[in-house]
Amino acid sequence: DIVMTQSPDSLAVSLGERATMNCKSSQSVLNTSNNKNYLAWYQQKPGQPPKLLIYWASTRESGVPDRFSGSGSETDFSLTISSLQAEDVAVYYCHQYTSIPWTFGQGTTVEIK
Amino acid sequence: QVQMQQSGPGLLKPSQTLSLTCAISGDSVSSNSATWNWIRQSPSRGLEWLGRTYYRSRWYNDYAVSVRSRISINSDTFKNQFSLQLNSMTPEDTAVYYCTRVRGGSGWAIDFWGQGTLVTVSS
Repeated sequence: DIVMTQSPDSLAVSLGERATMNCKSSQSVLNTSNNKNYLAWYQQKPGQPPKLLIYWASTRESGVPDRFSGSGSETDFSLTISSLQAEDVAVYYCHQYTSIPWTFGQGTTVEIK
Repeated sequence: QVQMQQSGPGLLKPSQTLSLTCAISGDSVSSNSATWNWIRQSPSRGLEWLGRTYYRSRWYNDYAVSVRSRISINSDTFKNQFSLQLNSMTPEDTAVYYCTRVRGGSGWAIDFWGQGTLVTVSS
């Protein structure tokens, strides 16, 4: 199984400031047939299911604010919130879907400083 | 807009069988460009993919090794729904269970989650 490791476990950022979190996979999630990284980012707020923010490592899902951006390739990825808003307080998960079983990181909790 | 309505019991005793159903509206369980998955979430195990069903001229299923001996995912095209059956439940299976959809339009990532069902296994 591909192990996904996120860092840090928690992050406290001032409103309007940048928040960056990382995700490392134990194996490459790059699909060489189409040159796409099968890596997604989700946001989860208490009592709600996860919400898709980013797929293919850097493509924003429709309706997701452009302050969210994803980058990286193969085994190292990051999610950046360029200007943290109060509604961005949540747990963020990375997820690989390149091979079964799909696996998730343990999550990074984003709080307001 | 797809909607996925989960139903099933929230409290089980050890050794009982979990049966959850996910009713789909706004999409088709037999779509050739979607897969239908069950994922659970617990404090101890995090987010865990359990398995999926999908139709590509015939039905296919894939299951996580951790539950392969006791899981079954089935579809009902007439009711446009799919279901999860997990046998021999133990307290370690206590979790929130989600039905989810994968579609090609979102890069084959999970793009929609049901509301979740908290399943507690306790004697």
